[in-house]
Amino acid sequence: ETGVTQTPRHLVMGMTNKKSLKCEQHLGHNAMYWYKQSAKKPLELMFVYSLEERVENNSVPSRFSPECPNSSHLFLHLHTLQPEDSALYLCASSQGLENTGELFFGEGSRLTVL
Amino acid sequence: GQNIDQPTEMTATEGAIVQINCTYQTSGFNGLFWYQQHAGEAPTFLSYNVLDGLEEKGRFSSFLSRSKGYSYLLLKELQMKDSASYLCATTDSNYQLIWGAGTKLIIKP
Repeated sequence: ETGVTQTPRHLVMGMTNKKSLKCEQHLGHNAMYWYKQSAKKPLELMFVYSLEERVENNSVPSRFSPECPNSSHLFLHLHTLQPEDSALYLCASSQGLENTGELFFGEGSRLTVL
Repeated sequence: GQNIDQPTEMTATEGAIVQINCTYQTSGFNGLFWYQQHAGEAPTFLSYNVLDGLEEKGRFSSFLSRSKGYSYLLLKELQMKDSASYLCATTDSNYQLIWGAGTKLIIKP
């Protein structure tokens, strides 16, 4: 069983759709993260959760809405997205916020917005 | 401002040695990290340097000079499976990671 699991791996949606990305970690970590990865650009940190509380929101548009029901699960709810939101969305976890450098990533959800 | 620079792409030959450089400017410093990311896969942690000097781990070594804001990743005895992107990242004063855009390494037979 992989440490961090993301579903779905691929998602195609129209600009008026509502969908969600799911992340689950089996490592007993206390911190979870959402990153956006676009081609030839640095990873962009979107949200950070520590013990189910959001501690970072890096000026992300409100069309992205995170949810962390417990320390093992993280969701990213998507609605009225734009074509420029097409990217790879990576979930990651770490033991705690003080360990943000050693992240364990999921395989990512490849999102295409039409 | 905060910035990390690394080459976009490098090419090397199987069996050879390659050095991937990274320069950084951050507000505060709490360590420098290297990650490997194969195409279509998750980034995986390779190394961590917080003190100046060379850290060796098998075929891979990572070097840090804090006074110069400089690091490199050294890969020896290159294998075809080393073809991947290598991401340099450093932590700022809030322990948040600042990432470079990655260096795509192409290994040729």
